Amino acid sequence: DAGVIQSPRHEVTEMGQEVTLRCKPISGHNSLFWYRQTMMRGLELLIYFNNNVPIDDSGMPEDRFSAKMPNASFSTLKIQPSEPRDSAVYFCASSSGLAGQYEQYFGPGTRLTVT
Amino acid sequence: AQSVTQPDIHITVSEGASLELRCNYSYGATPYLFWYVQSPGQGLQLLLKYFSGDTLVQGIKGFEAEFKRSQSSFNLRKPSVHWSDAAEYFCAVGAHVGGSQGNLIFGKGTKLSVKP
Repeated sequence: DAGVIQSPRHEVTEMGQEVTLRCKPISGHNSLFWYRQTMMRGLELLIYFNNNVPIDDSGMPEDRFSAKMPNASFSTLKIQPSEPRDSAVYFCASSSGLAGQYEQYFGPGTRLTVT
Repeated sequence: AQSVTQPDIHITVSEGASLELRCNYSYGATPYLFWYVQSPGQGLQLLLKYFSGDTLVQGIKGFEAEFKRSQSSFNLRKPSVHWSDAAEYFCAVGAHVGGSQGNLIFGKGTKLSVKP
């Protein structure tokens, strides 16, 4: 079975450019999570969806960040314009339920470098 | 508010030695507790989880963890470490109910190095 799929795996872009990260959750999962991981701040939850509806976006750092989930099998995280401080590894995770007991399955991550 | 503390940033153990990684949580009720492992360049993989019942839970790769309510701890253990266990380990707590339902709070992680 395919796990969570993220693309691209690596992204290098210049400051000011738009960046779009993509995620395909595990089929049948109805909750999707976007995380950011840095050395300084560790693993931070940015936003999560349930049944394609954003539930909590309080972790989104600022208006430059936006996330969408147009259907159950696809989500995007967009940064526009990008800044060097956005450099991090971005993870997408999915689970079969929203309650706290459901295991989250993580994708391999997208390593973003903004120069 | 929920929180998770992993007091040890980096631990080094010899191959074959026993391992204990510490995790303390703050939560108003019995939490859902998880341990994840992250190998370099990889995503996080679930090792084990605690929801209720037996406070000693077994996971994959020979790991176990014990929930101690009185100490608000959920420490991860392995009796004999293998070189392939070198990775970063994350403890996480999940909420039962409320506005943060579904959200996992992660600790900062403990990096494990294994000496030959």
